[in-house]
This record gives sequence, structure tokens and C-alpha cells, in this order.
Amino acid sequence: GAGVSQSPRYKVAKRGQDVALRCDPISGHVSLFWYQQALGQGPEFLTYFQNEAQLDKSGLPSDRFFAERPEGSVSTLKIQRTQQEDSAVYLCASSLVGTSHSNQPQHFGDGTRLSIL
Amino acid sequence: SQQGEEDPQALSIQEGENATMNCSYKTSINNLQWYRQNSGRGLVHLILIRSNEREKHSGRLRVTLDTSKKSSSLLITASRAADTASYFCATAATGANSKLTFGKGITLSVRP
Repeated sequence: GAGVSQSPRYKVAKRGQDVALRCDPISGHVSLFWYQQALGQGPEFLTYFQNEAQLDKSGLPSDRFFAERPEGSVSTLKIQRTQQEDSAVYLCASSLVGTSHSNQPQHFGDGTRLSIL
Repeated sequence: SQQGEEDPQALSIQEGENATMNCSYKTSINNLQWYRQNSGRGLVHLILIRSNEREKHSGRLRVTLDTSKKSSSLLITASRAADTASYFCATAATGANSKLTFGKGITLSVRP
């Protein structure tokens, strides 16, 4: 498809389980971002990739969160030993170029709604 | 942490009226962007204004930016019921790898 694709759309897990969320960006987009959006809030930055390099992971809330983009296209966000506070919508976005002065819009997927019971 | 604050938090207007939403931010920016989010969906990019620009238009949208006051406004003219959504301003700070910092959003309801 032409847009950013995320799967699954909904994920329910028990506290303590590991989860993996997938993002398929727009073909050819260099930059890929993960955001976390709590209910009623704006998205908050988690991590940023330029091609396969993870250049910024300052927003990851703990070492239970891990993201990768091994071939510079599809990315996976993994959360280990999930906690109830991890419940949120996880949004992936991509943009065409990868410099800090790019002035490019970001294109978002519809997100994965994660619920931890 | 959220950088921006949008104002008002919620806005309800009649179809055909104009909607004005404001955003304030705290740090130096490279650009400011406005996004729309329909319930249960991702964010849709509306308009980007660079730090050296003061005003920009796109269809029924008009955005202004005042870097001295660290504020922006989004005007939607001749609103439609389909404009009902949440609206977010987001800033790209200078030298920040293009990551966006979002406000909490404004809920706009347009009554038919």
C-alpha cells in the first residue's frame, strides 16, 4: 500500500508477557519514528531510525523497550515483561529524508492499541 | 514530556463557522506542524511552517507563526462536519533529528 502500515491493530497481553509491534514504512522513506500516545494525550517520541541506524532512543521509557530496523525498512518495537502502564497506542511514522534540517512532514500509521491486563 | 500547549482544549462550532486554534511552545524550533487525528486513526499531516515563515495557507487552512512569542495559530475557514477531529501542533526543535514534540491536542466538534 501507499501508506505506513502497522500490525497488529490491537494487541491484548497479560502483564509480564513480551510483545512485538511491527511497522512497515512508506517505501523509500529514510527516517522512521516510534511514538507512544496515552489516552487523551498527544504522541510522545520514543525512538528514531535513519535507515538501519538507531540515532536517538532517548524517549524509550525503560530498558524493557527495544526497537530495531535491521534492513532499513520494516521496524519492530519490542516490549519485554509488559506492565499495565505500557497500555497505550503505539504510532509509527516515516519521512522521506533524514537530516535534522529536512523540514519534512511525517506520515503516520494507524497505530497499534496495546492493552495490558 | 509535551512541549506545546494548545488552546482551547475543546471547541464546538456550527458548520460554516471559522475555527481558530492556538499553540504555544517553549524551545527554539526548526519548524512547526499541525496534524489532525480522527478517532482510532493515525495522525494526518495538515501543514508545515518553517521558523523563518510568518504565515502559510493551504486550502481552507491558514497558519501563522510568531517565533518571538513562541506561538502559532491554525484557522480553519468555512468548517464542515468532516473537520470534526483532534488537532495537534508539533514542533521540530533545532538539531533534534526531526523528532516531533506534540501538544495535548484540541478536540474540535463541528455541528451540522
